[in-house]
Formats: sequence, structure tokens, C-alpha cells
Amino acid sequence: ILNVEQSPQSLHVQEGDSTNFTCSFPSSNFYALHWYRWETAKSPEALFVMTLNGDEKKKGRISATLNTKEGYSYLYIKGSQPEDSATYLCASTSGGNQFYFGTGTSLTVIP
Amino acid sequence: GAGVSQSPSNKVTEKGKDVELRCDPISGHTALYWYRQSLGQGLEFLIYFQGNSAPDKSGLPSDRFSAERTGGSVSTLTIQRTQQEDSAVYLCASSLSGEEQYFGPGTRLTVT
Repeated sequence: ILNVEQSPQSLHVQEGDSTNFTCSFPSSNFYALHWYRWETAKSPEALFVMTLNGDEKKKGRISATLNTKEGYSYLYIKGSQPEDSATYLCASTSGGNQFYFGTGTSLTVIP
Repeated sequence: GAGVSQSPSNKVTEKGKDVELRCDPISGHTALYWYRQSLGQGLEFLIYFQGNSAPDKSGLPSDRFSAERTGGSVSTLTIQRTQQEDSAVYLCASSLSGEEQYFGPGTRLTVT
């Protein structure tokens, strides 16, 4: 079992603020790190998949970085909007079939 | 195209009853996963199906839980003699063999 941790557990920011949160995972036997966004009453939706140390992915105002040597990934949101409010999940895989998810960071963007 | 669908969306059952949760994966996806999220917890892996291989059942919490995948497509998760601690959101996801997962909307199970 991989111990994947996310922090903070929840976060409230004002509209327009930029924010970031962390996913930490065991660096041994690492294969891939996934970020998902889960809006209330909807299905989790894949944001990024990263495999290489130093990877950086970007989708609009959201970006993510990966450090496989120290076992962490950061998710950044620039200029938060109310529609960014969601739970952001990360999951680590070690090349097997199982995805090990963290408990998520719940983001609320206040208009 | 059609995504992953799950039914029912909500299920309230009495303690001790059996329940069946259904998942229709995306057509052509060979991998199918079941997870659950209990209140305040992360996504907990339950079971994984890949093609015709034997499923990975290592996440099933007890022998009251079982799952089938018929014809490599639809899957049913069965919980026998439900307990209150089984209350959770049960999510199904499908993928092309270990790639990005596509999740269904989930089934919210409440055991009273």
C-alpha cells in the first residue's frame, strides 16, 4: 500500500488569488502521478498525468510540477475563479494496476 | 460519446440486506476499477478487472463484498448483509489498461 498524502485538507481563497497545494508520495518504485478534479455531484475528472522527474504540465490557469526524487507534486491555480471550487485528488501508481489516492484538498473560491 | 455510467445513483438500505451496484464502463476500455469513499476518507481501492485476467481483489474489505464483470463490459459490485460502515460513495472507473481513468458519477449508499 502506498501512503499518499495531500495538504492542506481544505482551503478557502478569494476570487483572483493564486493558490497551490501539495501531494506527497513514496518515491521508491514510482511510476506515475495523477491529478484529478472532483466537483460536487460530478465524477472525478483527470487533469494531469506525470511520470518524469521535473515534469511540468499546464492546462489553462492550472499547472502541476513533479519531483520524483523527494516524492512530491504541487498543483497551482493562478487567478482562482469560483468555478475552480472542487476537491483536487492526486493518485500515485507504482506500475501495477492500483491507483493509490490521497484524501484530497477541498478548494473553495469565494466570489 | 458515452462516459461511465453507474446505477443506482442513490441507494438507502436496511442493515443486513444485500445490495447490487452496477457499472457500465466506456466501450472498449479493458480495465475497470471499483473504489469507495467513506466520509472524510480518501478514495479506497476495492477491486480491479483487466480484460480476461483474474481480478485483483486485494482491496475488498471483507468477504461480504464481491464483484463480477460479465463479458468484459458491465460490472456488478455486490455487498451482502450490509453494515452501517458500508455507507459510502461507490465509484467505478474504466481505462485503457492503466492509463488515465474515467470515473462514473458514483452510487451513494446509505445503510440505516
